[in-house]
Amino acid sequence: GAVVSQHPSRVICKSGTSVKIECRSLDFQATTMFWYRQFPKQSLMLMATSNEGSKATYEQGVEKDKFLINHASLTLSTLTVTSAHPEDSSFYICSADRGGTSGGASDEQFFGPGTRLTVL
Amino acid sequence: SQKIEQNSEALNIQEGKTATLTCNYTNYSPAYLQWYRQDPGRGPVFLLLIRENEKEKRKERLKVTFDTTLKQSLFHITASQPADSATYLCALGDDYKLSFGAGTTVTVRA
Repeated sequence: GAVVSQHPSRVICKSGTSVKIECRSLDFQATTMFWYRQFPKQSLMLMATSNEGSKATYEQGVEKDKFLINHASLTLSTLTVTSAHPEDSSFYICSADRGGTSGGASDEQFFGPGTRLTVL
Repeated sequence: SQKIEQNSEALNIQEGKTATLTCNYTNYSPAYLQWYRQDPGRGPVFLLLIRENEKEKRKERLKVTFDTTLKQSLFHITASQPADSATYLCALGDDYKLSFGAGTTVTVRA
């Protein structure tokens, strides 16, 4: 159990276009989903945290108007990279939290397989 | 500033030996610490979690220690196998957020 999928796994786009990445929890309801970005040989950096039905919370330095997050249901969150540029090329990974026993977030996140974005 | 440092060098070991990875941190007070495995082009896979009030955890051939005084965690893979070759990430947990180290790449030679 606790499987998280991402779609697409790879995307190549032209500079200036927008790209949408989906993150789904397949066999559980995710109270909270997280979006990370990872550059080669670097650590995962948390970009934002989203809860179903509410606005995402962005980490310092992450442009909320550039990286639009929609957490429309308990099993789906989307990240849209708007007007993508070559410097946005990276590996984007989502994770999902199915919540603690007393409500709220838990300390266990389940990660998706990642989406490789290349902006030409 | 906050820092999480893992072995900067890649680790190459012979099959059957024990791999020991370190994770040191500064200016954090994590409630728990996790270790993940990441294969190239893939998302992290959870391995072990250890809480701040725990000293050691084991799972099959894996062992993790957590010293909050030294601000260090050690991760051991015993009786290593070529299939253990991967990058291993430590992550510090505070509330629901995780902060990751850059990882240590382990290669196990047959």
